[in-house]
Amino acid sequence: QSALTQPASVSGSPGQSITISCTGPNSDVGGYKFLSWHQQQPGKAPKVIIYDVSNRPSGVSNRFSGSRSGNTASLTISGLQAEDEADYYCSSYTSTSSTWVFGGGTKLTVL
Amino acid sequence: QVQLVQSGSELKTPGASVKVSCKASGYSFTTYAMNWVRQAPGQGLEWMGWINTKTGKPTYAQDFTGRFVLSLDSSVSTAYLQISSLKAEDTAVYYCARTFFQASGSSSTSYMDVWGKGATVTVSS
Repeated sequence: QSALTQPASVSGSPGQSITISCTGPNSDVGGYKFLSWHQQQPGKAPKVIIYDVSNRPSGVSNRFSGSRSGNTASLTISGLQAEDEADYYCSSYTSTSSTWVFGGGTKLTVL
Repeated sequence: QVQLVQSGSELKTPGASVKVSCKASGYSFTTYAMNWVRQAPGQGLEWMGWINTKTGKPTYAQDFTGRFVLSLDSSVSTAYLQISSLKAEDTAVYYCARTFFQASGSSSTSYMDVWGKGATVTVSS
């Protein structure tokens, strides 16, 4: 059972925006900036799309954005495209145990 | 370019052992830690542990102690995951992922920035 809670699924139509939440105990999401989001397209390895809550690696579309409020982080995808259909995972680091944890994952369906 | 190349698929019988490799290239191997992540069929990502590539010290997630061993051979820039006493429930794709870390003054950043393509381990009699 993951310490980071994500909705199991979200959906949206092309062109719309969606938001995926990631909620954890204060010592995880709320207290640390090592919060990242990974996209996993079907049959492929995960790929980081957001790090440090809201930063995008080079090459990642600016349609992806991240934010945090309290102990909930959010990933927003704007201008939904068919290629965005994938599983999305948040991940955070816990310094008390020097371990990482993933959220349970959210399946995004583009209608 | 920076890449992690993992070993191929393995088919093992229950009780056997398996050793999965992850060869790094395009960067200095001992600069960044290496993580291992499990994904069972149809399931989410599970962080298994990480290994300090400078010291060789591993840290395991609570659910991955005992039968799971992380190790290194820095001379060939390769990290390993060994699983002993295999069970059917160990059937999964195992990924290695580099932890990027950078500190600047009082701030720092860290995230898994490069992933291997995954190694499939199937445990079946």
